[in-house]
Amino acid sequence: AQSVTQLDSQVPVFEEAPVELRCNYSSSVSVYLFWYVQYPNQGLQLLLKYLSGSTLVKGINGFEAEFNKSQTSFHLRKPSVHISDTAEYFCAASIQGAQKLVFGQGTRLTINP
Amino acid sequence: GAVVSQHPSWVICKSGTSVKIECRSLDFQATTMFWYRQFPKQSLMLMATSNEGSKATYEQGVEKDKFLINHASLTLSTLTVTSAHPEDSSFYICSASPPYILGTESEQYFGPGTRLTVT
Repeated sequence: AQSVTQLDSQVPVFEEAPVELRCNYSSSVSVYLFWYVQYPNQGLQLLLKYLSGSTLVKGINGFEAEFNKSQTSFHLRKPSVHISDTAEYFCAASIQGAQKLVFGQGTRLTINP
Repeated sequence: GAVVSQHPSWVICKSGTSVKIECRSLDFQATTMFWYRQFPKQSLMLMATSNEGSKATYEQGVEKDKFLINHASLTLSTLTVTSAHPEDSSFYICSASPPYILGTESEQYFGPGTRLTVT
């Protein structure tokens, strides 16, 4: 069975500082990887995804993530955060060929002025 | 494009009553829809996968007689919480998968969620 682990439940950073949200996955087969953002009392919005090809994936709002197969990681990064990036971020994985998503526990990103 | 709506956005009901939540894909046809449950400050837990015209597939531990799912058309799926109790209070989120196009593998579009409070 596959699983997704987000290593940090909360990450506080100052505005304009860089941030990295960590995500590790485990699976015996190849997976697709996703990062979603959830603003308070809203559904999830796709930030970026890795299906195949280049291991560095660029998404919306200036976010990017790097797929590292040897470390089974898919960490999310942004070089300079804004107050508006305050939200809950979820890493998710699906087995290639399947539709079901397995979510990590989520990381609450808090931006301090 | 790829907008998914949910109705209602929040609902309060009395213990023992039933409540229906609708999930609609507004600008695409969704052969598959998913229902998730999210407790405060926790992750999304998949409850069931719903395919148009067939019975939903429930995840282990989810009571199919309590959480009735109907996927009557390619743009509408409903979740009915029957005989609701306070422990059913939660945030329910649906998602929909568009028809397969290369590059959209496993892609799901999420609704805004429905907050259910059972008193």
